[in-house]
Amino acid sequence: DQQVKQNSPSLSVQEGRISILNCDYTNSMFDYFLWYKKYPAEGPTFLISISSIKDKNEDGRFTVFLNKSAKHLSLHIVPSQPGDSAVYFCAASGTYGQNFVFGPGTRLSVLP
Amino acid sequence: SQTIHQWPATLVQPVGSPLSLECTVEGTSNPNLYWYRQAAGRGLQLLFYSVGIGQISSEVPQNLSASRPQDRQFILSSKKLLLSDSGFYLCAWSVPSGSIWSYEQYFGPGTRLTVT
Repeated sequence: DQQVKQNSPSLSVQEGRISILNCDYTNSMFDYFLWYKKYPAEGPTFLISISSIKDKNEDGRFTVFLNKSAKHLSLHIVPSQPGDSAVYFCAASGTYGQNFVFGPGTRLSVLP
Repeated sequence: SQTIHQWPATLVQPVGSPLSLECTVEGTSNPNLYWYRQAAGRGLQLLFYSVGIGQISSEVPQNLSASRPQDRQFILSSKKLLLSDSGFYLCAWSVPSGSIWSYEQYFGPGTRLTVT
């Protein structure tokens, strides 16, 4: 049973436009949500996170939105750049970081 | 600053052969350490985690084992590889905290294993 889902395996966006990556989760005990970015043949790197007490967290071009009632979060990248092309993993954990679970990832391609 | 090393970067091994992947962390003490596998087209699956020397917890039953002989060294092993062991193996560390888990994990470069 997949507790963290990323239903779009891939997404293509034009450079300069907004990229929106979605993530859904099923475990209501999750309290902390993270996004990781992964280039081919490299390990994932931490991008941005959000606690369940917030509904939005912003860091430069990256914003994460959380809708707890819908068990849904999304990552917005504005404006998208070709260097953003990578696989993006959504992850979730309990209040103290336990039960850390990754989603299957979404491959983002930003076209010049 | 902290650094995590993994080797080898790529490995091709025949079915039934042994495996040893090594991971070391620099610049931190008593980190929590993790082994993940990413199979083709799938997400990251947690295999093992460790909160200290000699302390290993397994998340899924499998053909693999892990050991932590030193504070900042984590080894993934197998006595006999299966075809299904092919994948991208990632080591990660996190800041030690009161909990086994920490919110943010930092990943190594990974090892691409192909079992033929």
